[in-house]
Amino acid sequence: NAGVTQTPKFQVLKTGQSMTLQCAQDMNHEYMSWYRQDPGMGLRLIHYSVGAGITDQGEVPNGYNVSRSTTEDFPLRLLSAAPSQTSVYFCASSPRTLYGYTFGSGTRLTVV
Amino acid sequence: DQQVKQNSPSLSVQEGRISILNCDYTNSMFDYFLWYKKYPAEGPTFLISISSIKDKNEDGRFTVFLNKSAKHLSLHIVPSQPGDSAVYFCAASAGGGSNYKLTFGKGTLLTVNP
Repeated sequence: NAGVTQTPKFQVLKTGQSMTLQCAQDMNHEYMSWYRQDPGMGLRLIHYSVGAGITDQGEVPNGYNVSRSTTEDFPLRLLSAAPSQTSVYFCASSPRTLYGYTFGSGTRLTVV
Repeated sequence: DQQVKQNSPSLSVQEGRISILNCDYTNSMFDYFLWYKKYPAEGPTFLISISSIKDKNEDGRFTVFLNKSAKHLSLHIVPSQPGDSAVYFCAASAGGGSNYKLTFGKGTLLTVNP
């Protein structure tokens, strides 16, 4: 019963590098999303998907790309990392109800 | 402009007493509210929710109250236990529970002292 799995747990990038944060869920949830959490801030929505092949922007989408080719996976791509993207990133998934909204354990990203 | 506000960054209570965490919102379109608990180095975990058609929801030691006219909700934990020490996030959604975009407050760090 893995739930929502995020990899890696920690990552250090140099400014301008690109990388992909992985997120996978094994609960057959339709809905998946990415949030970032900064110190003293709540979680802010980056991108979300309501099903395979469907994605949309959240509150803070700039600098990030997503795709949803399968129900299970929802990777988050940083195109050209910037220090402002230093944050903790959380992936979440849910069936067709808010009640079952499940978060992964997070990826702590530092951009130097 | 912050649409969900948790004005108390921290709260400290004694074990066995009541903990009351508050949350205010400004967007009148919000109709579903959730509380999440977060331990360090872990993802948030769902605690309790309430629809705008209700003014109270209970689950064991946890009760959420909603005052729509004041755009205010609160989470009561009775009795508080040391294991309840965590950051608590209030979150809101618009769209009858079918909108999956959550707006979070900044969180309140609850410390329950033995």
